[in-house]
Amino acid sequence: DAEITQSPRHKITETGRQVTLACHQTWNHNNMFWYRQDLGHGLRLIHYSYGVQDTNKGEVSDGYSVSRSNTEDLPLTLESAASSQTSVYFCASSEAEGRDTQYFGPGTRLTVL
Amino acid sequence: AQRVTQPEKLLSVFKGAPVELKCNYSYSGSPELFWYVQYSRQRLQLLLRHISRESIKGFTADLNKGETSFHLKKPFAQEEDSAMYYCALSPYSGGGADGLTFGKGTHLIIQP
Repeated sequence: DAEITQSPRHKITETGRQVTLACHQTWNHNNMFWYRQDLGHGLRLIHYSYGVQDTNKGEVSDGYSVSRSNTEDLPLTLESAASSQTSVYFCASSEAEGRDTQYFGPGTRLTVL
Repeated sequence: AQRVTQPEKLLSVFKGAPVELKCNYSYSGSPELFWYVQYSRQRLQLLLRHISRESIKGFTADLNKGETSFHLKKPFAQEEDSAMYYCALSPYSGGGADGLTFGKGTHLIIQP
């Protein structure tokens, strides 16, 4: 069955380190998204991509970057992790046309010490 | 910029009672509205979207453009409805699907 996966599921890192969170989908969806979920804030959009070589900034993109070298993957990189980036990160994907339903991954819980 | 407001952080009702989770939005264009649900230890999943006009698990939601609201309703709550509920808005950009703007969520607890 087609699905969307994230790895690792849990990660503890130190302030200043570079961290990359993986997101992989097998639906062949063109659109992929990264959100962070924080208590009291709900989910907020970090970056998104409409297809290969396309990336766009979301509401809270500072300190994060993404790259899209193929349809299936959209890794999220924290260039220099900060304690404020401790959060649960969700990846999502949707089909190309219009404002379609987004399908979410299981999430990655990141702790920055 | 668009905004989604869910005024209740926590809503507790008894099993069998009606449920209404409020959602208000602000957006100058014509948005698409969604309700997503996150059950304990599970991933976020779509509950319903206004364009499909479906009833999922007994839940319905009507888009009221005059009041800019998209409240979620169920006539008789069940214990398995206990979860975190997020209202979300998708703006129209003329291109592919943009990211969703989420409300802060309402934690629904159904008491036996």
